[in-house]
Amino acid sequence: KNEVEQSPQNLTAQEGEFITINCSYSVGISALHWLQQHPGGGIVSLFMLSSGKKKHGRLIATINIQEKHSSLHITASHPRDSAVYICAVSSNTGNQFYFGTGTSLTVIP
Amino acid sequence: ETGVTQTPRHLVMGMTNKKSLKCEQHLGHNAMYWYKQSAKKPLELMFVYSLEERVENNSVPSRFSPECPNSSHLFLHLHTLQPEDSALYLCASSQESRTGASPLHFGNGTRLTVT
Repeated sequence: KNEVEQSPQNLTAQEGEFITINCSYSVGISALHWLQQHPGGGIVSLFMLSSGKKKHGRLIATINIQEKHSSLHITASHPRDSAVYICAVSSNTGNQFYFGTGTSLTVIP
Repeated sequence: ETGVTQTPRHLVMGMTNKKSLKCEQHLGHNAMYWYKQSAKKPLELMFVYSLEERVENNSVPSRFSPECPNSSHLFLHLHTLQPEDSALYLCASSQESRTGASPLHFGNGTRLTVT
């Protein structure tokens, strides 16, 4: 079993829809990261959070430390949001990162 | 420019070839990583160079050999690879401290195909 589980694996949405991607983890963490990977491979760090909620534009990330769960929300989705979204955690022992398998999002115009 | 530059972007090599992947970071970070990304699998850590110490994933075959001449440059030397080594190889960097690591900054990756 992977230390980080994401759902759903694939998601198709109509432009304008509200999108939620979920992440659960099973290790002790110092922080949780949401990453975005566009076709072609480049990965960009969207959020790093250890508690509460962060917002950047139309993206919102929340984390519940007690439940070991995080969500990434996209409001008013747009075709340019189409990408793979990866949840990762940095462990609280030894500077290790664990990654989920990613959620492939396609937003249709 | 991403701050982490990888070359080449694409590489096709035969099983008897020797090639190297190059990574350079311009962010002043003190840790660099090689990750392998295969279809439908989580990112797999291959090697970490952190504060001049090397950490490796023991499951990585010896046909992959890293080199980190300084804190800004990282290489992955490849020899006698197998077709199942075809994947996207990603370099990343971060700033490590006693309290943990900063976010990872990734390069655009090298898409490797072994024929």
